[in-house]
Amino acid sequence: DTGVSQNPRHKITKRGQNVTFRCDPISEHNRLYWYRQTLGQGPEFLTYFQNEAQLEKSRLLSDRFSAERPKGSFSTLEIQRTEQGDSAMYLCASSLESLIGYTFGSGTRLTVV
Amino acid sequence: KNEVEQSPQNLTAQEGEFITINCSYSVGISALHWLQQHPGGGIVSLFMLSSGKKKHGRLIATINIQEKHSSLHITASHPRDSAVYICAVLSFGNEKLTFGTGTRLTIIP
Repeated sequence: DTGVSQNPRHKITKRGQNVTFRCDPISEHNRLYWYRQTLGQGPEFLTYFQNEAQLEKSRLLSDRFSAERPKGSFSTLEIQRTEQGDSAMYLCASSLESLIGYTFGSGTRLTVV
Repeated sequence: KNEVEQSPQNLTAQEGEFITINCSYSVGISALHWLQQHPGGGIVSLFMLSSGKKKHGRLIATINIQEKHSSLHITASHPRDSAVYICAVLSFGNEKLTFGTGTRLTIIP
């Protein structure tokens, strides 16, 4: 297993376009998390899955954001009608159990122009 | 006031110096993480603590649950230690981490 994989690493898009990011967690990890990090800040929680069930969503996750984890494996995060304020690093993490620890991906850096 | 606060925000030191980064939090926690983030953005987990002290190579992490405070120490610092160090807590009954804003460490040769 090569760890948590995120694709793409970088995405530049025009305002108003839709974008989709993918996260492939460590295969035996049932928990998957999405975080967003803006410049100079620590990551902020967006949403969390246990297997295929989305168990928690942050108020940061507006109606333009949707996340899925079909079959409890990889996850996708879609942003519709992107805005410049969506420019950030989107980080994915997975864990087997929260008190065992987390593995983070390298992130997807989104730039909305 | 943020639930997790780190100090200092920025730290520049000479190679070989002993480094201390501090983290204070305001909630009851089940675990605290120290993470390292390099300019490319990826985050590496250094330690997860719920009590006491852990050591890995030149890195030492301590936590005082009563005082709600943790420290990350780096001995014999090296330029390759230059990175952002982030403290994050897992509060009771929660699945998500709450992060500090990070400490940018620069080690000068």
